[in-house]
Amino acid sequence: NAGVMQNPRHLVRRRGQEARLRCSPMKGHSHVYWYRQLPEEGLKFMVYLQKENIIDESGMPKERFSAEFPKEGPSILRIQQVVRGDSAAYFCASSQTGTGVASSTDTQYFGPGTRLTVL
Amino acid sequence: EDKVVQSPLSLVVHEGDTVTLNCSYEVTNFRSLLWYKQEKKAPTFLFMLTSSGIEKKSGRLSSILDKKELFSILNITATQTGDSAIYLCAAQAAGNKLTFGGGTRVLVKP
Repeated sequence: NAGVMQNPRHLVRRRGQEARLRCSPMKGHSHVYWYRQLPEEGLKFMVYLQKENIIDESGMPKERFSAEFPKEGPSILRIQQVVRGDSAAYFCASSQTGTGVASSTDTQYFGPGTRLTVL
Repeated sequence: EDKVVQSPLSLVVHEGDTVTLNCSYEVTNFRSLLWYKQEKKAPTFLFMLTSSGIEKKSGRLSSILDKKELFSILNITATQTGDSAIYLCAAQAAGNKLTFGGGTRVLVKP
């Protein structure tokens, strides 16, 4: 499967626990983006990363949320001390480049998402 | 604040009908407009539009962008039940961030 991979697909946590969401980009892609889809709402940008660098985290909540994309391995979105309001679908996307000039190689391809439920 | 608005929110058609979905945007440093189809899982890429007036086609789907009036439309002709999905429009700004609209839910009945 050459697509964007995310795991787990479903994650249940109790309030106060930590949630770790993983994303492996498409082969040949080094740019990763995280989006959140709250119930009955559209997809909202959270963070944009390249290998070992956070490029844009303007959509990340100020507390409890962090993201990384290490040199080796998948990108991780980490949510500490989860609350019920964190329940949502979290989507990861990847692109080959991040030129920002509307190149077709900037196209973002999405993974299947992780549905987080906080009890 | 960047904003993307899609209309209608939802529509129900019968197989063979043509549907037109609308997307308007207000985005700083606009670069491109993208359309995705979302069924039960991953949003699937359909089109990237960067230039005004140039129609992109893929089978029964086509899309066009108007950068002067800041909108795009997605057309689906001869609809099939497999076209039932949520169609998402997103504006890409410099810096690659996508701002999504709320989506249009399309239901195609046999």
